[in-house]
Amino acid sequence: QITLKESGPTLVKPTQTLTLTCSFSGFSLTTSGVGVAWIRQPPGKALEWLATIYWDDQRRYNPSLESRLTSTKDTSKHHVVLRMTSMDPVDTGTYYCAHTSGIRGSYRQYMDVWGQGTTVIVSS
Amino acid sequence: EIVLTQSPGTLSLSPGNTATLSCRASPILSIKYLAWYHQKPGQAPRLLIYGTSNRATGIPDRFSGSGSGTDFTLTINRLEPEDFAVYYCHQYGNSPYTFGQGTKLQIQ
Repeated sequence: QITLKESGPTLVKPTQTLTLTCSFSGFSLTTSGVGVAWIRQPPGKALEWLATIYWDDQRRYNPSLESRLTSTKDTSKHHVVLRMTSMDPVDTGTYYCAHTSGIRGSYRQYMDVWGQGTTVIVSS
Repeated sequence: EIVLTQSPGTLSLSPGNTATLSCRASPILSIKYLAWYHQKPGQAPRLLIYGTSNRATGIPDRFSGSGSGTDFTLTINRLEPEDFAVYYCHQYGNSPYTFGQGTKLQIQ
């Protein structure tokens, strides 16, 4: 059974760097075709894809946020880390990580199992 | 960037009815890369459909997806109380991967 859980600070100040961890079980991020994505959702709004890191350490970032995002993985510890710099109040919302799957070997992957999400509030 | 526009914004129906949700892509999108999720209040989204028409594990056959090119549809037959939620379409064919703004399916 695949499970994921996000963790990190609930409150960050403007201009600070947010660091979130996605701890997972039930799969290996070294298995071909596997990825972990980050998605966020401002209160009452729609979902926004942020980044995906793949089995081969390839990464894809949303171009609108790419300069602020870094995704890394620690396969031995079964977790993925997302760093987002220069936090602003508009970055307030729920941040999810999700296991991704797709056609074998493709980076085009849908999110098939989601974590419960973690709330991040950006305020001074 | 592929923009996904969902309609209607809100759909009010009764249990037992059929819901038809629309997702329009601009520009054109391959049918391989369209998914649907639903999200209940306070919960994470749940995958329903991937590749336009493939049901995810554990999703009942009351849920079906169809479409091609720019127009995609999620149909839910025989609505049950647990189906009332917000539904999102999602394209994962072209980065940045995008979501529609959502359709809220509410009980009439």
